[in-house]
Amino acid sequence: EAGVTQFPSHSVIEKGQTVTLRCDPISGHDNLYWYRRVMGKEIKFLLHFVKESKQDESGMPNNRFLAERTGGTYSTLKVQPAELEDSGVYFCASRGHGTGKQTQYFGPGTRLLVL
Amino acid sequence: AQSVTQPDIHITVSEGASLELRCNYSYGATPYLFWYVQSPGQGLQLLLKYFSGDTLVQGIKGFEAEFKRSQSSFNLRKPSVHWSDAAEYFCAVGAAQAGTALIFGKGTTLSVSS
Repeated sequence: EAGVTQFPSHSVIEKGQTVTLRCDPISGHDNLYWYRRVMGKEIKFLLHFVKESKQDESGMPNNRFLAERTGGTYSTLKVQPAELEDSGVYFCASRGHGTGKQTQYFGPGTRLLVL
Repeated sequence: AQSVTQPDIHITVSEGASLELRCNYSYGATPYLFWYVQSPGQGLQLLLKYFSGDTLVQGIKGFEAEFKRSQSSFNLRKPSVHWSDAAEYFCAVGAAQAGTALIFGKGTTLSVSS
């Protein structure tokens, strides 16, 4: 069974540009999460999808960040326009549905550098 | 406030020596506890988890962790470290309620000397 995949693995952009990150969850996982780790800080929650619906987006830093999950499969996270402080590693995680399925499985992350 | 503290930013141990990584949490609800590991260039891999029951849990790669409610701790241990264990280790806590986000510590980087 394939794990969580993320694309691209690295992205270097200039301030003001737009970047779109993609996450493909484990097949059949209804729950999808985005997290971010800024250098030197802890990994922090951004938002949570259940299928195509945003269950919790309390961690989204501002309206320059837009997450979508059309069709309840893969998800994209767009940053527009990117700022220097957006640099970091963006992780995606997915989780199955139901009792006993509390574990979130993480992807390899996308390393974003905004210059 | 809900938080996870990993007091050691960087630890170096000799290959073959024992290891203990500390994790303390502050959480208002019944906690689910996790340890993840990130090797260079890799994603976060689940080492072990505690939901309920036996407070000593076994994980992959020979790791174990003990949940101590009275101390709000979930320390990770390994009796004999291998060079391949060099990585960054993250402790995380989540609520028993399904779907809640995880709260992570800042991570502990483990170096293994020969």
